[in-house]
Amino acid sequence: EPEVTQTPSHQVTQMGQEVILRCVPISNHLYFYWYRQILGQKVEFLVSFYNNEISEKSEIFDDQFSVERPDGSNFTLKIRSTKLEDSAMYFCASSESWAQGRTDTQYFGPGTRLTVL
Amino acid sequence: QQQVKQSPQSLIVQKGGISIINCAYENTAFDYFPWYQQFPGKGPALLIAIRPDVSEKKEGRFTISFNKSAKQFSLHIMDSQPGDSATYFCAASISGGYQKVTFGIGTKLQVIP
Repeated sequence: EPEVTQTPSHQVTQMGQEVILRCVPISNHLYFYWYRQILGQKVEFLVSFYNNEISEKSEIFDDQFSVERPDGSNFTLKIRSTKLEDSAMYFCASSESWAQGRTDTQYFGPGTRLTVL
Repeated sequence: QQQVKQSPQSLIVQKGGISIINCAYENTAFDYFPWYQQFPGKGPALLIAIRPDVSEKKEGRFTISFNKSAKQFSLHIMDSQPGDSATYFCAASISGGYQKVTFGIGTKLQVIP
């Protein structure tokens, strides 16, 4: 069964450093998402991406964050200058299609645990 | 108004018992209510979902009950098994837009033999 993969599974970085989290969505999916989950808190939406551009972003997704689809398979989340409060589990998700009145399932990857020291 | 409130945050159920997790929402624009199951080290996986035009949906041992007027929905796991031990998230989203899923806080379910 196709699945979303994410690398690395755990990333440790120093405050102020840049990190890139990588995701390989399911191959025929068109919509891509990043979510994060701070330990003990709920999963929060960060950004959705379609047709090589951001379609929606949350207030969490400030200028320190960026997303990119550098080739036909990868989808990345970059945090430019990490802060202690960026420590969280980051989930990538993808979905196949969307049509008016029909919501398609989002498939989530296993997550990358980011620890900022 | 975008919140989805979920309770309890942890639940211990005897094998064979019924596990019940409750959620409430505020935004009446939500029209898709999925439940996700998450095992340690894995991402959330869709378990079952419902739209507000039905009051109940059943898939195997899993049933969603939906009360549109009260803006509440719940997950019932019948004949709970140790393999059901996981974290369960209720969620909500709005069709007709990019699918930002709003999650509840999660319920950690432990089914004991």
